Amino acid sequence: NAGVTQTPKFQVLKTGQSMTLQCAQDMNHNSMYWYRQDPGMGLRLIYYSASEGTTDKGEVPNGYNVSRLNKREFSLRLESAAPSQTSVYFCASSLSGGRNTEAFFGQGTRLTVV
Amino acid sequence: GQQLNQSPQSMFIQEGEDVSMNCTSSSIFNTWLWYKQDPGEGPVLLIALYKAGELTSNGRLTAQFGITRKDSFLNISASIPSDVGIYFCAGQGSGGSNYKLTFGKGTLLTVNP
Repeated sequence: NAGVTQTPKFQVLKTGQSMTLQCAQDMNHNSMYWYRQDPGMGLRLIYYSASEGTTDKGEVPNGYNVSRLNKREFSLRLESAAPSQTSVYFCASSLSGGRNTEAFFGQGTRLTVV
Repeated sequence: GQQLNQSPQSMFIQEGEDVSMNCTSSSIFNTWLWYKQDPGEGPVLLIALYKAGELTSNGRLTAQFGITRKDSFLNISASIPSDVGIYFCAGQGSGGSNYKLTFGKGTLLTVNP
């Protein structure tokens, strides 16, 4: 019962470096999401994918790109990391909309940009 | 965009006490969800509410979907030390983005044994 799996769990980057955060779900969910969590800010949506082949911007998309590789996988890319992107990143998935909006979260990736 | 106001921001209580927290919004939501996050972990779904006025329990937890569809509350009865964590409300709105969730900023609960 893996659910939502994120890799890596921890990462330290230098300013300007790039990296991709990986996320995979094994629940046959249609929708996937990337959130960032900062102290006192709750969870803010970066990008989401309502279904395979579609992606849309969320609340805080600047500095990020995403790829919905297939139904299972949704990656988040930082092209040129900045200290403001130091955060905990969570991937989540849900079956779809309506009554199936219940989102299930991965364990998070703790990213520090120095 | 849609925003949720979650209160209180933090609570410090004694073991055995009851706890109440709530979320309000200026927008109508179709679904309310309550999550708990333990330190170093991702949020875990506690209760899902789908209908205005609905009252749902999960063990010592009880949550209600407000009649106006603009608020929800979560009660925890007889708190225990493992209730410590951050509790988030989340709402699903209507319209074109009806599969997205909006999260409150969380309530940090500390339980003193």
